Amino acid sequence: EIVMTQSPATLSVSPGERATLSCRASQSVSSNLAWYQQKPGQAPRLLIYDASTRATGIPARFSGSGSGTEFTLTISSLQSEDFAVYYCQQYNNWPPGTFGQGTKVEIK
Amino acid sequence: EVQVVESGGGLVQPGGSLRLSCAASRFTFSSYAMSWVRQAPGKGLEWVSGISGSGGSIYYADSVKGRFTISRDNSKNTLYLQMNSLRAEDTAVYYCAKDISGSYVVYFDYWGQGTLVTVSS
Repeated sequence: EIVMTQSPATLSVSPGERATLSCRASQSVSSNLAWYQQKPGQAPRLLIYDASTRATGIPARFSGSGSGTEFTLTISSLQSEDFAVYYCQQYNNWPPGTFGQGTKVEIK
Repeated sequence: EVQVVESGGGLVQPGGSLRLSCAASRFTFSSYAMSWVRQAPGKGLEWVSGISGSGGSIYYADSVKGRFTISRDNSKNTLYLQMNSLRAEDTAVYYCAKDISGSYVVYFDYWGQGTLVTVSS
């Protein structure tokens, strides 16, 4: 089973600043990686797929990069609505699909 | 817009059973794989089970294999999860998620709001 490790666990950022979130796979997942955003009490929302493609309706301030085992989600200028938990998920090897443990982006 | 709505959660005793349903609308249900993903209180996401659009391919996480059964009724646009021999560690919000693929479990572009399953005596 591929293990996905996200860092940091919590990221404190001021509104308007850049946030950089990391996701590492225990073995190569090529570019088969998605990112989701989850706000309290809500379902996850797809942000990025294929490591770098924004999903429909996702603002351009969200960008994804990486391949193989190292991936990054960057939020270029944090807005108030961006404070949430972010999960990466690999889909190169199924089953099982594996998610990272999440990174919480909180207001500094 | 695509809609998926879960139902059937509740409180059940350890060893008991529960059947979750997920009603889908505004997309061609039979063309897409579907999955159940759960989230224990205060924890992260865990994929539980997935099924291809035709129902011919089914996948389970090791943690539920032999206890849970996923199925779908394409004539009713509904996904199901039959959960037997429930344990305390199955306590979670269960999400129904639409896949972008028809045949395989890949990633999920639409999620329901979830239904809470609590296993406790």
